[in-house]
Amino acid sequence: AQTVTQSQPEMSVQEAETVTLSCTYDTSENNYYLFWYKQPPSRQMILVIRQEAYKQQNATENRFSVNFQKAAKSFSLKISDSQLGDTAMYFCAFLDTGTASKLTFGTGTRLQVTL
Amino acid sequence: SQTIHQWPATLVQPVGSPLSLECTVEGTSNPNLYWYRQAAGRGLQLLFYSVGIGQISSEVPQNLSASRPQDRQFILSSKKLLLSDSGFYLCAGRRDVRGYTFGSGTRLTVV
Repeated sequence: AQTVTQSQPEMSVQEAETVTLSCTYDTSENNYYLFWYKQPPSRQMILVIRQEAYKQQNATENRFSVNFQKAAKSFSLKISDSQLGDTAMYFCAFLDTGTASKLTFGTGTRLQVTL
Repeated sequence: SQTIHQWPATLVQPVGSPLSLECTVEGTSNPNLYWYRQAAGRGLQLLFYSVGIGQISSEVPQNLSASRPQDRQFILSSKKLLLSDSGFYLCAGRRDVRGYTFGSGTRLTVV
């Protein structure tokens, strides 16, 4: 079974600054997908960014980018030019490619963006 | 595109009462469907998933059950709620390799 670990329960960053959220995972699979989801106070799950394990190039989406280290099983999220609207819970997640395609989540990091 | 409809948004139920949460999918056929629970301040725990009509897999033994009577309908049930069943319940569907689509969730409080 896969496990996902987020070791930072809470983080704070000032507006316009850069922050990095950490995530590690454990799996014996070679082909999988990794995600970062954002959950604002509304609790709607919003996809932030996705990474395919077979791609060496790190994914980027506007101000969001990842540092994917497959050998180290590490998948961190960097948020540049932080905005107040980035305040939310952030979940790292692992998707297996089997028939069930189960998405396994970390425990989340609560990010607070301050003025 | 895939849309997940989930209701009700909020529910307060007494201990020992039954529960039925419904989730329907729009935009795709034969999707994998999932029920997650999120306890206060914690991550999402997979409760059940279904790869097709009548096919239910349970991840965590508990007081809840799930059913999939139709291709695009996924129901979470309980015969008698416990206080520990309180939480935020999310239905999700696997859209494709790009990931999941989530419903808006149900906040359940058992009193």
